[in-house]
Amino acid sequence: GAVVSQHPSRVICKSGTSVKIECRSLDFQATTMFWYRQFPKQSLMLMATSNEGSKATYEQGVEKDKFLINHASLTLSTLTVTSAHPEDSSFYICSARDRQGFTEAFFGQGTRLTVV
Amino acid sequence: AQKVTQAQTEISVVEKEDVTLDCVYETRDTTYYLFWYKQPPSGELVFLIRRNSFDEQNEISGRYSWNFQKSTSSFNFTITASQVVDSAVYFCALSEIAGSNYKLTFGKGTLLTVNP
Repeated sequence: GAVVSQHPSRVICKSGTSVKIECRSLDFQATTMFWYRQFPKQSLMLMATSNEGSKATYEQGVEKDKFLINHASLTLSTLTVTSAHPEDSSFYICSARDRQGFTEAFFGQGTRLTVV
Repeated sequence: AQKVTQAQTEISVVEKEDVTLDCVYETRDTTYYLFWYKQPPSGELVFLIRRNSFDEQNEISGRYSWNFQKSTSSFNFTITASQVVDSAVYFCALSEIAGSNYKLTFGKGTLLTVNP
């Protein structure tokens, strides 16, 4: 299957700083990428959908100024957690869909963010 | 609105037992996709299967099998002769198609523990 690489896999940052997470499709072009958040022992909650070259669509309740998403190319989307606080600590995972229209979304390895 | 229900929060079995993970979904769409993903302790999501709503044939892949019953809106997953390596959280997911970028709605997941 297609490969989606997410980096970093783990990050610890201080309160008030910003953290950038990258999601890359390695062997296909992704017109659409999705960002999910997962709290411990809970399900994946969709945060936003990002389409290449346009603004991301955020789910209800997700602060767009807090979670900045950029999808500047067909192989890269980034999620920046701005002015991070301990409550932002979570597991963030991205997925990407092939521009050819396959309905399967391939997932990255996830990023465990800890804000201290 | 879409909804995926995995009523079993946790299941514990002994190695070599068969185990079935239940999934019930709700959607107004007539065309949709159903998925199962495995999430081992490392966190990444491993794709297991995608099923089109028009295809009600059951599928078998090695020790894994899936039973899609459109009449009861269920898409159950059976592991035959379970192994310790099957221990993970399993998510059922639904993807709407019309104008949605195929975003996934996940169930809450079932934690499967296979004991030696």
